[in-house]
Amino acid sequence: GAGVSQSPRYKVAKRGQDVALRCDPISGHVSLFWYQQALGQGPEFLTYFQNEAQLDKSGLPSDRFFAERPEGSVSTLKIQRTQQEDSAVYLCASSSSGGTPRREQYFGPGTRLTVT
Amino acid sequence: AQSVTQPDIHITVSEGASLELRCNYSYGATPYLFWYVQSPGQGLQLLLKYFSGDTLVQGIKGFEAEFKRSQSSFNLRKPSVHWSDAAEYFCAVGATSGTYKYIFGTGTRLKVLA
Repeated sequence: GAGVSQSPRYKVAKRGQDVALRCDPISGHVSLFWYQQALGQGPEFLTYFQNEAQLDKSGLPSDRFFAERPEGSVSTLKIQRTQQEDSAVYLCASSSSGGTPRREQYFGPGTRLTVT
Repeated sequence: AQSVTQPDIHITVSEGASLELRCNYSYGATPYLFWYVQSPGQGLQLLLKYFSGDTLVQGIKGFEAEFKRSQSSFNLRKPSVHWSDAAEYFCAVGATSGTYKYIFGTGTRLKVLA
């Protein structure tokens, strides 16, 4: 079946622009995660959804970052007034788990954001 | 606080040689542990996972990892490396409560010499 897809794969934004990154999780997956991967680093947790509920947004670096999953499937990560330090690969992952960590997360290919 | 350390940023091995990538974790309870591989421009692919039970875990592509509680380690091994194994490898610990988010190490980049 189809895996996690993300769009766009590459995004170049001028500093100060708003961007929206989309994630299509595996169909039926309850849990959805967003991670940020800076160059040369491991992914870092941003936020977590269980169905449409955002249960954890502790990793969002500032109030310029906003995520939503209104119907419990597709999710959008929005970054307002982008800054150069926002340049990174943004990874989305989904899991069939709604209440156990035993279900592994399946990752999308990521969106590489470059802020100029 | 939970953390994962991958001490080796880069490792170079010859094709056919054995491989061991190190991973140390800090976690209050028995963690859930994962190894992922990331090829250039690709997402993360799960190699193997440890939840409980047998401490030697077999994964895909001929990889295995051993959980050693006394050393807080979960090292990844492969007896004979292939050129196609060149990639970046990430160890992660999964929270066992709350969000179940993953905490990743900084990765080890593997180069394979022909």
